[in-house]
Amino acid sequence: AQSVTQLGSHVSVSEGALVLLRCNYSSSVPPYLFWYVQYPNQGLQLLLKYTTGATLVKGINGFEAEFKKSETSFHLTKPSAHMSDAAEYFCAVTPGRNNNDMRFGAGTRLTVKP
Amino acid sequence: KAGVTQTPRYLIKTRGQQVTLSCSPISGHRSVSWYQQTPGQGLQFLFEYFSETQRNKGNFPGRFSGRQFSNSRSEMNVSTLELGDSALYLCASRMAANTGELFFGEGSRLTVL
Repeated sequence: AQSVTQLGSHVSVSEGALVLLRCNYSSSVPPYLFWYVQYPNQGLQLLLKYTTGATLVKGINGFEAEFKKSETSFHLTKPSAHMSDAAEYFCAVTPGRNNNDMRFGAGTRLTVKP
Repeated sequence: KAGVTQTPRYLIKTRGQQVTLSCSPISGHRSVSWYQQTPGQGLQFLFEYFSETQRNKGNFPGRFSGRQFSNSRSEMNVSTLELGDSALYLCASRMAANTGELFFGEGSRLTVL
């Protein structure tokens, strides 16, 4: 079965600094990978996804992630953090296109300091 | 286009009671999935319904059940509530089962006293 591990349950950055949230996956078949964001008292919103093709994926709000098969990683980055980026971020994996078994990581809470 | 709507948003129950949560998917979406989110266990898959049939089920006890109606709206029920059932219950919809992006509602926050 597939799984994801998010390294660091809490990440704190200063406004304007680089955001790097780490995600490593395990999958026996080529995975589809997702990053979701959750603001307080809200549901999850899709930031970006990797299915096939280009390994660098651009998402909403200036976020991007790169699929690295050799490292089994799908880290999320943003060049310059904004206060509004403070939220919880979840990495998720499915076994390819058949994503009726989406597995989520434990989440990383991002704090942005002024 | 309206998003996924979950009701109620907040509710408080006592141990032993039962609760029913409702989810209206995005118009045209026929698949509805339910997740439980807790600080300790994170996001855990409960079940998915498509065309009124349960297509996939997570590892939860039989106290957790669900159903889907012909208009794709879904309900989940938890009977004989336990303190550990306190959680945010998230509903997600998509066009079809097994494929496609999941769109999440804002959740129903259940507190069991």
